[in-house]
Amino acid sequence: DQQVKQNSPSLSVQEGRISILNCDYTNSMFDYFLWYKKYPAEGPTFLISISSIKDKNEDGRFTVFLNKSAKHLSLHIVPSQPGDSAVYFCAASESHTNAGGTSYGKLTFGQGTILTVHP
Amino acid sequence: DARVTQTPRDKVTEMGQEVTMRCQPILGHNTVFWYRQTMMQGLELLAYFRNRAPLDDSGMPKDRFSAEMPDATLATLKIQPSEPRDSAVYFCASGLAASQVVGTDTQYFGPGTRLTVL
Repeated sequence: DQQVKQNSPSLSVQEGRISILNCDYTNSMFDYFLWYKKYPAEGPTFLISISSIKDKNEDGRFTVFLNKSAKHLSLHIVPSQPGDSAVYFCAASESHTNAGGTSYGKLTFGQGTILTVHP
Repeated sequence: DARVTQTPRDKVTEMGQEVTMRCQPILGHNTVFWYRQTMMQGLELLAYFRNRAPLDDSGMPKDRFSAEMPDATLATLKIQPSEPRDSAVYFCASGLAASQVVGTDTQYFGPGTRLTVL
């Protein structure tokens, strides 16, 4: 049961244009969302995140949008550069509260989207 | 430049052999995760620890996989006996999760161990 889905395995974009990567989730309890970028032979690196109390977060060329009603988030890269070519993973987190307190930290990842930016 | 380190980077072994993968989390991080990346499943969470205590290992095949944190600077993932279907890249990640604070879920990944079981 994939709770986080990236339905596009790949995306090809021309340099300078906008790249839009999409992610859908099914668990309405998720309250924190992240995007990671992964180059070949390296581990994923954190890119940008957004809390469920916001609908947009921007960091330079990267903007993440969250639509809670649609359970959808997207990552916009503008302008796209050849160095952005990588696998992009979206991830989601759910806070848990029990007798021991509130815990965070377990991420559920999507399958990834391969972005290729052509010069 | 603090990083998560993993050893070995590559491991080729034969079916039935024991495999041990090691991870050194970033100093000061209190949470350690083990993931497996496959083409079909993407990044699957196998197990994770907070303050060295196992919190969740529901993603691990219990009969052959085991994960431990002997001390705060070392996490291990062991497979015994290994099978060809275990072939994958195994990632360790660490983070600093603060209770009661949303948004402390950022994890920092190591370079991974590529395991091939023949």
